[in-house]
Amino acid sequence: KQEVTQIPAALSVPEGENLVLNCSFTDSAIYNLQWFRQDPGKGLTSLLLIQSSQREQTSGRLNASLDKSSGRSTLYIAASQPGDSATYLCAALRVGSEKLVFGKGTKLTVNP
Amino acid sequence: NAGVTQTPKFQVLKTGQSMTLQCAQDMNHNSMYWYRQDPGMGLRLIYYSASEGTTDKGEVPNGYNVSRLNKREFSLRLESAAPSQTSVYFCASMKENTGELFFGEGSRLTVL
Repeated sequence: KQEVTQIPAALSVPEGENLVLNCSFTDSAIYNLQWFRQDPGKGLTSLLLIQSSQREQTSGRLNASLDKSSGRSTLYIAASQPGDSATYLCAALRVGSEKLVFGKGTKLTVNP
Repeated sequence: NAGVTQTPKFQVLKTGQSMTLQCAQDMNHNSMYWYRQDPGMGLRLIYYSASEGTTDKGEVPNGYNVSRLNKREFSLRLESAAPSQTSVYFCASMKENTGELFFGEGSRLTVL
């Protein structure tokens, strides 16, 4: 059974810092790995999707990497801003499955 | 550019009342999902539908029923609401070739 873990559960950093959010998964037979952002009281917004054949994806200040052999994905945020404050969730889709398995998220606070 | 639309956004029920949460997507996706999100529990899958006319149970289906009315619409029904069903409910749909998941804004349900 696939399990997805995100550590730490919460992170507080000063503005301008580069930071890394971690996501680990137990089953390496994944189809893709997706990162989402959730603002308080809002839905989940897709940030980056990495297919199993890819090693990383980039969007603006965000870079997500995938290492299936070690069961890890990281979300790198460059030059963090207070507007980046949100909860970040990762989710893995196993090959042959129709159901994503979600981590519980990392709540990020970027202090001005 | 609507994506996934959920109604209602907020609802208060008394124990024992019934209600239906509606979800519609305009992206021509086959797969649709209902999740609930609770503090400390993360996102949990209630039911999903891989295609029109099919539905399957997720992790926490008890107390819920679903209907895949057509390709666009997937509704979630609470027949006899209980306080334990107080939660935020999210509908989502999946793009087939990439496995990317798109979420609605959520429906906040309180059962008194």
